Amino acid sequence: DAKTTQPTSMDCAEGRAANLPCNHSTISGNEYVYWYRQIHSQGPQYIIHGLKNNETNEMASLIITEDRKSSTLILPHATLRDTAVYYCIVRVSQGTYKYIFGTGTRLKVLA
Amino acid sequence: DTAVSQTPKYLVTQMGNDKSIKCEQNLGHDTMYWYKQDSKKFLKIMFSYNNKELIINETVPNRFSPKSPDKAHLNLHINSLELGDSAVYFCASSQVVGSYEQYFGPGTRLTVT
Repeated sequence: DAKTTQPTSMDCAEGRAANLPCNHSTISGNEYVYWYRQIHSQGPQYIIHGLKNNETNEMASLIITEDRKSSTLILPHATLRDTAVYYCIVRVSQGTYKYIFGTGTRLKVLA
Repeated sequence: DTAVSQTPKYLVTQMGNDKSIKCEQNLGHDTMYWYKQDSKKFLKIMFSYNNKELIINETVPNRFSPKSPDKAHLNLHINSLELGDSAVYFCASSQVVGSYEQYFGPGTRLTVT
């Protein structure tokens, strides 16, 4: 179970891109990088996941380094509603883990 | 058009009582989950059902009994509530069993006094 390391907190100006880094240097070849976020008092929200290629959807982009030891979640135009805790987790695509989520990055989008 | 819904959102009750939390998903997913989120925000899986069949039971006390009347619903019944049961409980669903692309409900904050 590859561990991840994320900064505890970050600020971003509204309308600017928010770049959230994640280190996962012990990732295995069959493990995906998943990103979730949790807005205060709401349920966790799936954002995006990827294996080795960069991925983009309507919410965000995921950039994974070639050696797969780190990744960056990009919110292209952050809004106040993007203020949340963002979790980077590494998992095989299907499996059973007792816990998901750890400490995450608390992103604050500033007006 | 809420994808995963839970009721109630808040539940305050006394020790020893029995309570239920309901969950429904309209995503057409085959798999549903119950998670418990503690004060440190760690999300711990409790149960997983696939097509109404129990597939994960993570050493949860048998005071907790999930019930899945159909694949769109997974309810959680808790008997003889204890103080330590106070937490936020999340229901989730995924299209494929064991997938980590999961969609969560808004949570039920249970407070046992």
